[in-house]
Amino acid sequence: EAAVTQSPRSKVAVTGGKVTLSCHQTNNHDYMYWYRQDTGHGLRLIHYSYVADSTEKGDIPDGYKASRPSQENFSLILELASLSQTAVYFCASSDAGARTGQLYFGEGSKLTVL
Amino acid sequence: GQQVKQSSPSLTVQEGGISILNCDYENDMFDYFAWYKKYPDNSPTLLISVRSNVDKREDGRLTVFLNKSGKHFSLHITASQPEDTAVYLCAAGLNQGGSAKLIFGEGTKLTVSS
Repeated sequence: EAAVTQSPRSKVAVTGGKVTLSCHQTNNHDYMYWYRQDTGHGLRLIHYSYVADSTEKGDIPDGYKASRPSQENFSLILELASLSQTAVYFCASSDAGARTGQLYFGEGSKLTVL
Repeated sequence: GQQVKQSSPSLTVQEGGISILNCDYENDMFDYFAWYKKYPDNSPTLLISVRSNVDKREDGRLTVFLNKSGKHFSLHITASQPEDTAVYLCAAGLNQGGSAKLIFGEGTKLTVSS
C-alpha cells in the first residue's frame, strides 16, 4: 500500500509568517507533487518534482517555494503567508507510472492564515 | 486558463440510475485521462484511467469514454448507489521530457438519492 504522510495535518498561521508543509513518502517513487484544494477549483498544481534536488513550477507557483532534498521528502514553503493561501494542501507521489494517471495522495494539510 | 474543465459543479441521480460525469480539456497533447473520487475530509483516490489511444474502458460499474476530436471525456456509473455520493475529479496527464504532471478539473459533486 502506497504511503504518503504529510505534516502538519492542520496549522494556523499569521499573515506574513513563514509556513513549511512537509511530505514524506515510502513508496520509492520518483515523482512528487503539491496541490491545493479550494472550493470550486478542484486541485491545482503548485510545484512538482521528478528527481531529488530539482523542482518544477506547476500552474499556480506564485507565493510558494518547494524543496526536494531527497527522494522521500518534498516540502512546500510559504515565505510570507497570505490570507489567500488558506486552503487544504495535498501532497502526492507517483512512479514513472504517473503516465497512467495514478497518484497516491497524502491525507492533506489544512492551512488557515489569519 | 483552466486546462481541464468540469462544467457541472453538481449532479443528482436516483439510486439505480446512470450517473454521467463530463470533462473537457484544452491541450491536445494530454496523453492520459483519469477520474478520481473524493469524500469530504479525505484524499482523492484513483477510480479509472485510460491512455489517449483508447476510446473506452470498462471496469465493473464504471466506464470511461474518450472523445479526442472533441477534447472530451466522461465517466459513466451504472446502477448508482448512495455510497457513490462524493466529489468526482477528472484529470488529464501530460508527459514532457522527463516530467509527468496531472491537471485536475474543478470537481463535480455527485449525490445519489435513495
